[in-house]
Amino acid sequence: DAGITQSPRYKITETGRQVTLMCHQTWSHSYMFWYRQDLGHGLRLIYYSAAADITDKGEVPDGYVVSRSKTENFPLTLESATRSQTSVYFCASSGQRNTEAFFGQGTRLTVV
Amino acid sequence: AQTVTQSQPEMSVQEAETVTLSCTYDTSESDYYLFWYKQPPSRQMILVIRQEAYKQQNATENRFSVNFQKAAKSFSLKISDSQLGDAAMYFCAAMGYNFNKFYFGSGTKLNVKP
Repeated sequence: DAGITQSPRYKITETGRQVTLMCHQTWSHSYMFWYRQDLGHGLRLIYYSAAADITDKGEVPDGYVVSRSKTENFPLTLESATRSQTSVYFCASSGQRNTEAFFGQGTRLTVV
Repeated sequence: AQTVTQSQPEMSVQEAETVTLSCTYDTSESDYYLFWYKQPPSRQMILVIRQEAYKQQNATENRFSVNFQKAAKSFSLKISDSQLGDAAMYFCAAMGYNFNKFYFGSGTKLNVKP
């Protein structure tokens, strides 16, 4: 189906483990984003990408790594998960510059 | 860089009444775009309304309208004839023309009372 999908929807992992959250969009949008949502903080930008092989840090990039070898995929990796990274993660994409962002369903990540 | 501030963590409105959610922002860019997103309990982010900063006319989408005060850097959302389905978290967002990064406020939880 067309759209933007995240996987998994829910994930529990242990402290220190590496975990990758997947994001796939079918619109060929140039811009893609990763946000984390925490109570009282709204959505905070982790990383964004303007095109394949072009990524840049957002507000809270520490502890995260991204890559974008293909336009449609934008995985987010937590190299060594910490409890403070327990959050809901949203992937989003947008097409032309300054159009709205379309969001995935979110991934609830719990680090124990 | 941009910052977006929503000073009302939670608000309540009676069904069929009108409510206004506040948002202020700060940006160093001369041109930018502003958005209101709705997040119901399903967690899905839904665009409610969009405003281009260079337009003086306030955007309107059915029961939703904005009051955009550029000099004051204020962007409030007015919901008329509130419905039970309007109950959700509402996020204000700003995006600079040159960088295409969306920055969000901390959100306002809207309760609608029957």
